[in-house]
Amino acid sequence: AQSVTQLDSHVSVSEGTPVLLRCNYSSSYSPSLFWYVQHPNKGLQLLLKYTSAATLVKGINGFEAEFKKSETSFHLTKPSAHMSDAAEYFCARGGYNKLIFGAGTRLAVHP
Amino acid sequence: SQTIHQWPATLVQPVGSPLSLECTVEGTSNPNLYWYRQAAGRGLQLLFYSVGIGQISSEVPQNLSASRPQDRQFILSSKKLLLSDSGFYLCAWSEDRPTGGNQPQHFGDGTRLSIL
Repeated sequence: AQSVTQLDSHVSVSEGTPVLLRCNYSSSYSPSLFWYVQHPNKGLQLLLKYTSAATLVKGINGFEAEFKKSETSFHLTKPSAHMSDAAEYFCARGGYNKLIFGAGTRLAVHP
Repeated sequence: SQTIHQWPATLVQPVGSPLSLECTVEGTSNPNLYWYRQAAGRGLQLLFYSVGIGQISSEVPQNLSASRPQDRQFILSSKKLLLSDSGFYLCAWSEDRPTGGNQPQHFGDGTRLSIL
């Protein structure tokens, strides 16, 4: 079955330090992959998407993700965390007429 | 540009009462439409999706139903709410493509539903 695994339910970083949120997917082919961010009591906002073009994908707010087929991974990174990055992050992959979401990673950013 | 509207933003309902949540999309035609629920501290659960007027796919059998009376309108309903129906309900749309699951979904701001 198609699935998405977010390896960390919580990540805590200090402001100004790098962010790494990990995502692995199960598939026998290269799916479309997405990262979303959700702030409290808000809907999900698309950060970036991979659709089989460049393996390094740049998104909004300084985030980027690298598609690694050999590792079936699509980790999200940012060089320097801001307080405003504190939120829930969801990785997702394309399925038939729908997206399959991971369970989410809550990112805390400390001063 | 495309926009998605959900209302109300918050709703408090007694157990056993009916429910109707509405979602509309503007600026696109024949979108795929989705209803999700997030229980407190949990991830996203896909409830229903629709690829066209009157076409509803149910992902999880439960106390809820969905309808799509118009191309860009998606309604989530219940005849009798349960305590377990509490949560954050999100509507989303994606472009209609042959492989709709490879398109990003765009989300509304959600409805916080509390059942008392």
